[in-house]
Amino acid sequence: DGGITQSPKYLFRKEGQNVTLSCEQNLNHDAMYWYRQDPGQGLRLIYYSQIVNDFQKGDIAEGYSVSREKKESFPLTVTSAQKNPTAFYLCASSFGGVNTEAFFGQGTRLTVV
Amino acid sequence: DAKTTQPPSMDCAEGRAANLPCNHSTISGNEYVYWYRQIHSQGPQYIIHGLKNNETNEMASLIITEDRKSSTLILPHATLRDTAVYYCIVGPNSNSGYALNFGKGTSLLVTP
Repeated sequence: DGGITQSPKYLFRKEGQNVTLSCEQNLNHDAMYWYRQDPGQGLRLIYYSQIVNDFQKGDIAEGYSVSREKKESFPLTVTSAQKNPTAFYLCASSFGGVNTEAFFGQGTRLTVV
Repeated sequence: DAKTTQPPSMDCAEGRAANLPCNHSTISGNEYVYWYRQIHSQGPQYIIHGLKNNETNEMASLIITEDRKSSTLILPHATLRDTAVYYCIVGPNSNSGYALNFGKGTSLLVTP
């Protein structure tokens, strides 16, 4: 089955700890994206990558880091520098360019206590 | 900066058509209109997209006005499982790797 997989679905961490969220796709997509969603809000772009070994900051990159060592994988690390890390995190992928749709994973709900 | 305007909420009776409007008066010539929906605590699901012609697939129809300043997503026979937040998006944004910019969308409630 082709798709995009995020794990885990729920994650709890103590304040001050870094945590890494996984995102894997087998759709052969070049572009991958990380979004953050807060209650009652739309999605905000954290980081994006258009090709392996390259990534760019989105609108709210502070306190986050990413890597793109493989085409299939785009992990997101939420660092202790992120002031309000508790949120719903969504990963997406697409072929990039216009006239293409993006597909989303089922999300990871991160709670920092 | 919001590029689309949608009503915050709508109701629809089960079995009736749900018509969700979207205004995008500043859309540029090469931008598409995309529709996604998000059921609570899940990832957004792609519905349909189009440039200027009307589009139809197994999920919905997309009607784009001739001047492209507004569009309507039509769910022909709404079911309870269509209750979700529906996002109208213009793009993608070539300045951010062709990412899609999601606003707050329309919360559609389908009632029995």
